[in-house]
Amino acid sequence: GDSVTQMEGPVTLSEEAFLTINCTYTATGYPSLFWYVQYPGEGLQLLLKATKADDKGSNKGFEATYRKETTSFHLEKGSVQVSDSAVYFCALTSGNTPLVFGKGTRLSVIA
Amino acid sequence: DVKVTQSSRYLVKRTGEKVFLECVQDMDHENMFWYRQDPGLGLRLIYFSYDVKMKEKGDIPEGYSVSREKKERFSLILESASTNQTSMYLCASSSGGSPLHFGNGTRLTVT
Repeated sequence: GDSVTQMEGPVTLSEEAFLTINCTYTATGYPSLFWYVQYPGEGLQLLLKATKADDKGSNKGFEATYRKETTSFHLEKGSVQVSDSAVYFCALTSGNTPLVFGKGTRLSVIA
Repeated sequence: DVKVTQSSRYLVKRTGEKVFLECVQDMDHENMFWYRQDPGLGLRLIYFSYDVKMKEKGDIPEGYSVSREKKERFSLILESASTNQTSMYLCASSSGGSPLHFGNGTRLTVT
């Protein structure tokens, strides 16, 4: 079945550092890909998405590009802030199937 | 803004009790989902529903049941709570192919 693998955390960065969180997937067909973020004490919220190959999703300075050839959707941000500290989840859906999530990556940004 | 409301933020129950977790959404979404979130395991799908009175098993339905009598409400039922059901439970809703909207979660402790 469909699956998502993302890099294990936790990831600790200094403020203004560059962030990459790796995500690769296995899916039949042509899935849509998502990054969700969970701030402390809250539910998940959509950060960005891409629905076809070579699409780039972006939001709040974060970006991810749908790479069909490498089955990847890595999350990047050029300069992280303390307020970006959260857990990040990569996810996919094929057609109308429920979202399949990765295990999450905890990011801590220190001032 | 879509609002998904989970009735309890924290819940403590005893082994063997019947437990109801309630979820209500206010955007007339036809799709509703229950996930549990555990450290190192990410989000795992318990049950989902694409319409009133309809339910489908997710990846880990054992020990759970659900009820969807009205479109806006999706209840998760633990027939006889056990300690291995101590977890964070997240409800989500969506319409068609739209991204999921999550509630803030219910942290259930079974003692």
